Amino acid sequence: DAGVIQSPRHEVTEMGQEVTLRCKPISGHDYLFWYRQTMMRGLELLIYFNNNVPIDDSGMPEDRFSAKMPNASFSTLKIQPSEPRDSAVYFCASSFEQANYNSPLHFGNGTRLTVT
Amino acid sequence: AQSVTQLGSHVSVSEGALVLLRCNYSSSVPPYLFWYVQYPNQGLQLLLKYTSAATLVKGINGFEAEFKKSETSFHLTKPSAHMSDAAEYFCAVSVSTNAGKSTFGDGTTLTVKP
Repeated sequence: DAGVIQSPRHEVTEMGQEVTLRCKPISGHDYLFWYRQTMMRGLELLIYFNNNVPIDDSGMPEDRFSAKMPNASFSTLKIQPSEPRDSAVYFCASSFEQANYNSPLHFGNGTRLTVT
Repeated sequence: AQSVTQLGSHVSVSEGALVLLRCNYSSSVPPYLFWYVQYPNQGLQLLLKYTSAATLVKGINGFEAEFKKSETSFHLTKPSAHMSDAAEYFCAVSVSTNAGKSTFGDGTTLTVKP
């Protein structure tokens, strides 16, 4: 299994530009999560999906952020317009949940976003 | 709501010494607990998990953790540190009533001195 695949690994953009981060979860996994990691705030859950349906987006910081999961093998996180404070490492993770919700998360290697 | 607290954002040990990383949790229902490790420029990887079977859980790379309900703790230990153990470690909790949503601690950075 190739694991969770994220692209790009690094993204440098100017303030005001649109940024799209991509994620391919592990095949067969039914949950997908987007996290943001910064030194100041640690690991923050932004949004997660179950069977392609958004379940909880309460962590999405502002309307500038949006996420979609058009099918079971692909998700995007979009920031429009981007701001310097969005600079962070963004992780995608997936899991296959059994009845008791005790399955671990499988993380991608992240996208390091720098907004100048 | 569930939460975890990792005591000590930085821990430094000598190679060969005992590693002890502390995690305390809060949950109104039986929790599932996890330890993850993050190496530089990588995502988090599962070290071990507690899911209400044995209270002493063994994981990869010689790590283990003991679930102590009376102390609401799930500390991570390794008898002898190796240089390759230097990384950031995260404790996480999930519960069946908050389906699919794990809560992570702030992380502990482990430094191993030669």
